[in-house]
Amino acid sequence: EAQVTQNPRYLITVTGKKLTVTCSQNMNHEYMSWYRQDPGLGLRQIYYSMNVEVTDKGDVPEGYKVSRKEKRNFPLILESPSPNQTSLYFCASSGGLDRDSNQPQHFGDGTRLSIL
Amino acid sequence: GESVGLHLPTLSVQEGDNSIINCAYSNSASDYFIWYKQESGKGPQFIIDIRSNMDKRQGQRVTVLLNKTVKHLSLQIAATQPGDSAVYFCAENYSLNTGTASKLTFGTGTRLQVTL
Repeated sequence: EAQVTQNPRYLITVTGKKLTVTCSQNMNHEYMSWYRQDPGLGLRQIYYSMNVEVTDKGDVPEGYKVSRKEKRNFPLILESPSPNQTSLYFCASSGGLDRDSNQPQHFGDGTRLSIL
Repeated sequence: GESVGLHLPTLSVQEGDNSIINCAYSNSASDYFIWYKQESGKGPQFIIDIRSNMDKRQGQRVTVLLNKTVKHLSLQIAATQPGDSAVYFCAENYSLNTGTASKLTFGTGTRLQVTL
């Protein structure tokens, strides 16, 4: 089954304790992205990657890092989490997202992070 | 379940009726549009997409209409069922160049409630 898998689904942690949210897709997609979803603000892009070793900032990258060492994985790293990063996070992947190859993004089921 | 929006506009329809969900987009240069459905506790799920060279596209029970003159997108769901209850949001995609990642911007969503 084609899917995007995120782990963990839920995490409660404390300020300053480094954490990583993993994301894996089995569709051989080149494009992957991380979003956060907050009430009233919709989905906002954190970082995206067009291919292995190619990453770029989205709209709200501050406080986050990503890496893309393999095509299937795109972890989101919070080096020193703070309470304003409490949110619902989604990873997504797509077979193409440029002028000539637009395809819809497929989303994981989300990770609820609570930073105390 | 996860709360995706505390004050989302809500559309209530009776089971069996048709639903129309509207979306105003912002960028007249956007060239690709997507509708997503998000159920409680899940990630956004692709419903249907349309490119800017079209004004209508039909899927199974769903139709998307695009009016570029007024920058308006609508999703029509025929014979609405209880399982259609969810938050629906549109996304607009702006592609600058081939090989450059597109900018995908999401709306904040509309909650569809199906009454029996």
